[in-house]
Amino acid sequence: DQQVKQNSPSLSVQEGRISILNCDYTNSMFDYFLWYKKYPAEGPTFLISISSIKDKNEDGRFTVFLNKSAKHLSLHIVPSQPGDSAVYFCAASANNQGGKLIFGQGTELSVKP
Amino acid sequence: GAGVSQSPSNKVTEKGKDVELRCDPISGHTALYWYRQRLGQGLEFLIYFQGNSAPDKSGLPSDRFSAERTGESVSTLTIQRTQQEDSAVYLCASSSSLGSNIQYFGAGTRLSVL
Repeated sequence: DQQVKQNSPSLSVQEGRISILNCDYTNSMFDYFLWYKKYPAEGPTFLISISSIKDKNEDGRFTVFLNKSAKHLSLHIVPSQPGDSAVYFCAASANNQGGKLIFGQGTELSVKP
Repeated sequence: GAGVSQSPSNKVTEKGKDVELRCDPISGHTALYWYRQRLGQGLEFLIYFQGNSAPDKSGLPSDRFSAERTGESVSTLTIQRTQQEDSAVYLCASSSSLGSNIQYFGAGTRLSVL
């Protein structure tokens, strides 16, 4: 079963606008959530994370929001830049699982100039 | 090295052959993880190591897959009698401790089984 889902395979946004990437999860034991960015032929790069005790974490242009009651998180990028074009993966972990990450299928973001 | 290093970067093999994939984690990182990414899919957990022991092997797809880690450093993932469905990118990640959730990934090994 898919415990972490990213239902949008792709997203296209104009440069300077906001990009919103969504992620849903089913396992209530997840207590830490991460976003990774991946360029072709490279490994995923850590972007931002959030603990389940928070509902928002911000780092520069990137903000992650967590809605535990809805089991939903989102990544906001504002303003979007062409260099942000990549595949974004949402991942989750549970404290008693040794840190292994459960990933969503990814959303390919394209930021057009 | 500065980051996680994986070799080879590409491997083409014939069905039925054995392959060995190598991962060098970031120096000092005690936790090491293997994932697999099939085309168009997310990353799929295979196994993790804390030091040289592997507390969770639950993601290994079959008994043809095995992994070991020696000296709390290098890890090798071995696939015996490869099948076409084993074709994927195999990614290795390390983190500074089991309690650290942030994992740093290598560029992966792209395995193609013909």
